Amino acid sequence: IAGITQAPTSQILAAGRRMTLRCTQDMRHNAMYWYRQDLGLGLRLIHYSNTAGTTGKGEVPDGYSVSRANTDDFPLTLASAVPSQTSVYFCASSVSEGSDIQYFGAGTRLSVL
Amino acid sequence: GQNIDQPTEMTATEGAIVQINCTYQTSGFNGLFWYQQHAGEAPTFLSYNVLDGLEEKGRFSSFLSRSKGYSYLLLKELQMKDSASYLCAVRDSNYQLIWGAGTKLIIKP
Repeated sequence: IAGITQAPTSQILAAGRRMTLRCTQDMRHNAMYWYRQDLGLGLRLIHYSNTAGTTGKGEVPDGYSVSRANTDDFPLTLASAVPSQTSVYFCASSVSEGSDIQYFGAGTRLSVL
Repeated sequence: GQNIDQPTEMTATEGAIVQINCTYQTSGFNGLFWYQQHAGEAPTFLSYNVLDGLEEKGRFSSFLSRSKGYSYLLLKELQMKDSASYLCAVRDSNYQLIWGAGTKLIIKP
């Protein structure tokens, strides 16, 4: 089934460790996004990419980095994890940055201890 | 600042009608979206409004008033499977989505 795949599904991480969350889509969408979702808050955009080779900062980019080497993959890296990065992370994609619909992966539940 | 407001939680009865409101203040407006999110799952697209008025799609309808910064999602003939969170999001002048915290809808038999 076409869509977005995120890995891992969940992870417990020691503070200070490096972690990469993986995201792959097979819909040939140009735009991809990383959000975090915390209880009582709306989804907050971390980073985005409008097309392969370009990335941009969202609302809460500090402590996170991304790369977009090709159309399909958009990994999110936490260089040195901190407890405040405990959250559910969603990757999403859309045909283009101005498209109506964003399609979401199943999410990665990350706990930083 | 940018702000999306929607009720935290609502309760309704199976078979009834419920209206979930959303008010917004954003830097620019390029459309309003409603997404459904079941517990532990990904958000999925429900509806999109860019012009004033009502958009109907089966049991779900969404209304927009740009002058009032207001939208609602209307769910008819409620089913138990409609128990979920409903997320309101506005696309701003930079074409980024600004999300509300979501409304948790509880359906009782």
